[in-house]
Amino acid sequence: SQKIEQNSEALNIQEGKTATLTCNYTNYSPAYLQWYRQDPGRGPVFLLLIRENEKEKRKERLKVTFDTTLKQSLFHITASQPADSATYLCALVGASKIIFGSGTRLSIRP
Amino acid sequence: EPEVTQTPSHQVTQMGQEVILRCVPISNHLYFYWYRQILGQKVEFLVSFYNNEISEKSEIFDDQFSVERPDGSNFTLKIRSTKLEDSAMYFCASSIKRLAGDTSGELFFGEGSRLTVL
Repeated sequence: SQKIEQNSEALNIQEGKTATLTCNYTNYSPAYLQWYRQDPGRGPVFLLLIRENEKEKRKERLKVTFDTTLKQSLFHITASQPADSATYLCALVGASKIIFGSGTRLSIRP
Repeated sequence: EPEVTQTPSHQVTQMGQEVILRCVPISNHLYFYWYRQILGQKVEFLVSFYNNEISEKSEIFDDQFSVERPDGSNFTLKIRSTKLEDSAMYFCASSIKRLAGDTSGELFFGEGSRLTVL
């Protein structure tokens, strides 16, 4: 079955630095991969999607890469701010469902 | 901004009781989903629904679960006989387009219904 691993359960970095989160997957070849943000007690919120033939996608301070050979996606937040503190979920897109990784809890300290 | 709304926000029930969780997806969305999240764990897929039919369901979605779109606006999840392990946050989501095609639809989630089974 498909397996998604987000290799850091928690990441703690200094404000202003770049946060890099990793997502690895096995037993699947998704055409798309998405990233979501989840705040405590709230539903996930969509951030970015990247297609299998795209190497990189950017949106403001966010950047996602997608390496289908390594079966890996990297999610970067540049110039991080305390308001970026949340759990970030990697998601593999199938025909009729999206499956989520367990998430990385990111904390940005002032 | 349009949003997915869910009711109730919190429900406490006794084991063995039936529970119905309600969702109003975004009005022009066509694809509907239920997910659950047990406290401290990942968001797990339960079921997807399109054109009044289940598109896909997970192993979690057994005979105790059912979904319905009784009218043009509501989308419900029913658990017939709740178990302790059904305690979780249940999220409804909707999307306007297919998840994977020429492009990819994103999911819009509601704020969740917290179910506590005693």
